[in-house]
Amino acid sequence: QKEVEQDPGPLSVPEGAIVSLNCTYSNSAFQYFMWYRQYSRKGPELLMYTYSSGNKEDGRFTAQVDKSSKYISLFIRDSQPSDSATYLCAMKENQGGKLIFGQGTELSVKP
Amino acid sequence: GAVVSQHPSWVICKSGTSVKIECRSLDFQATTMFWYRQFPKQSLMLMATSNEGSKATYEQGVEKDKFLINHASLTLSTLTVTSAHPEDSSFYICSAPPPNSGANVLTFGAGSRLTVL
Repeated sequence: QKEVEQDPGPLSVPEGAIVSLNCTYSNSAFQYFMWYRQYSRKGPELLMYTYSSGNKEDGRFTAQVDKSSKYISLFIRDSQPSDSATYLCAMKENQGGKLIFGQGTELSVKP
Repeated sequence: GAVVSQHPSWVICKSGTSVKIECRSLDFQATTMFWYRQFPKQSLMLMATSNEGSKATYEQGVEKDKFLINHASLTLSTLTVTSAHPEDSSFYICSAPPPNSGANVLTFGAGSRLTVL
């Protein structure tokens, strides 16, 4: 079993839709949770960063962490074609720990 | 903001040759840099941690004699794939923690796509 599981998709939605992206994990020691966006043939860029459980909102993006269920989510409201990319969840146990990535979900937002 | 630059972005080489990839932190100093490998439709896998002034720390299963890492200065780390073979074809990405971000946030380079013929 992988430490971090993420549905690779692809996920296709119409412009304006609400997108829900999810990851599950098995290591209960993970405390730091991140979402990265990766455009084709580019390096990942950090979207959201959350410590422990709870919600965090930044513009159209909301990150949720449920440590009791070992489940994290990223919601994108009013999705735009420019949101089309691969979204990777990542997590680590502590500040100096190794960052473990999910496989990434490929998202396509159709105009 | 903090920028990490990689060069080259794309390289094709013949089997058996060596290829060097550079990773530079453009506007900050990085005592530590991380090298990842990403196969198509796969996750990023940490290969090694590059430490300025000391030897790199390699992840289990990564051959240190094949993937040579040199952290030459506080702004430059290099990855050399020695005697490359087709199975080494992959997307190699470096990253570094920008200043005042703690070790939780990493800035990634744009990646270097290696194709070994």
